[in-house]
Amino acid sequence: QSVLTQPPSVSGAPGQRVTISCTGSNSNIGAGYDVHWYQQLPGTAPKLLIYGNSDRPSGVPDRFSGSKSGTSASLAITGLQAEDEADYYCQSYDSSLRGVFGGGTKLTVL
Amino acid sequence: QVQLVESGGGVVQPGRSLRLSCAASGFTFSSYTMHWVRQAPGKGLEWVADISYDGSNKDYADSVKGRFSISRDNSKNTLYLQMSSLRVEDTAVYYCARDLFGVVGKAFDIWGQGTMATVSS
Repeated sequence: QSVLTQPPSVSGAPGQRVTISCTGSNSNIGAGYDVHWYQQLPGTAPKLLIYGNSDRPSGVPDRFSGSKSGTSASLAITGLQAEDEADYYCQSYDSSLRGVFGGGTKLTVL
Repeated sequence: QVQLVESGGGVVQPGRSLRLSCAASGFTFSSYTMHWVRQAPGKGLEWVADISYDGSNKDYADSVKGRFSISRDNSKNTLYLQMSSLRVEDTAVYYCARDLFGVVGKAFDIWGQGTMATVSS
């Protein structure tokens, strides 16, 4: 059972928009800690996708965006492409558990 | 370029020890907090431990506290994870990761390719 809750899977057709939710509590996201998102392509290491709730590292397309409100956060992907098929993880900090991750969401591009 | 390369994984029996290493290059290693994050087969990510830039502060997940020890040698640009009293549930790919400055909490901006540690009798 992960501290941050994500849907196990989402799917969308090429060109569509999908969102992935990440729900925490008042000891992590709701306490003001930033939320970050990672993309893990099959058989590879995770890659930082969004940091500080909504900022993108250099090289990440603007099709990816993040937001945070209250005890939740979300990742949106627009103009879905086949290469976006991957696992996505949200991550934050918890006042008692330190670094915490969501359970991950598998994105399938139909 | 900025790179982290882990090594030291392998197969070990329950109760035994294993030491992982992570060689850093392409950045000023001694300026960064560093982390270990693990991923059990087919499972999600779990933060394991971190160490401050100078080694003076260390923090551990409850699941490994008292059994694992994180350390670093800034003269060798290398991060270590000494794992003792290993359990079957410690079986995972272990990633080292660089801390991202400027966020509230923890985040990881550079990851190594990972090294697999298997605990099995």
